[in-house]
Amino acid sequence: DVKVTQSSRYLVKRTGEKVFLECVQDMDHENMFWYRQDPGLGLRLIYFSYDVKMKEKGDIPEGYSVSREKKERFSLILESASTNQTSMYLCASSSIFGQPQHFGDGTRLSIL
Amino acid sequence: AQTVTQSQPEMSVQEAETVTLSCTYDTSESNYYLFWYKQPPSRQMILVIRQEAYKQQNATENRFSVNFQKAAKSFSLKISDSQLGDTAMYFCAFMENSNSGYALNFGKGTSLLVTP
Repeated sequence: DVKVTQSSRYLVKRTGEKVFLECVQDMDHENMFWYRQDPGLGLRLIYFSYDVKMKEKGDIPEGYSVSREKKERFSLILESASTNQTSMYLCASSSIFGQPQHFGDGTRLSIL
Repeated sequence: AQTVTQSQPEMSVQEAETVTLSCTYDTSESNYYLFWYKQPPSRQMILVIRQEAYKQQNATENRFSVNFQKAAKSFSLKISDSQLGDTAMYFCAFMENSNSGYALNFGKGTSLLVTP
């Protein structure tokens, strides 16, 4: 089975801090994704990556950046955390077009 | 703009009964894929079922089946013999080969409660 592991289930940070969310997958998938999940809004794409060192903006990239130095690891970075970034963050990976994405357990991030 | 619409924010069904969750989508592509994901309170997003747009046959996975109407751009999920463990948030999702790579476009979700 594909395993997507997010480093933290819960995280509390302060406004202005730099925050790192880590995601690791063990199935050698080329594609990795970061989504943000808010009640009533579903999941929205923040960034995705289709190869090492490659990254593309999704629908809501403002205030975020990403890093993919190794194929199995995709990091989401909040450069200067703000309260409106309090949310659930989900990481996913997939292989070729049409194959389902596999998700991590999510990180519930609170910015105080 | 939202391209996947789930018109039922909340639904309830009794154990052993059948329930249908609605989903419509919008695309001009001919090659795409549709998915239903389940997210129980434990938060893990679990794939329920996958449909290939070029296949007319409706996908089925045990108690879960879809009614895929390509012309109407409709993709509903039917859960038969509902069980308490089916209580979850259900998301309809759509994948096309777009500027967002192979990302999924999600609906806003339907919260399903199965009661004894």
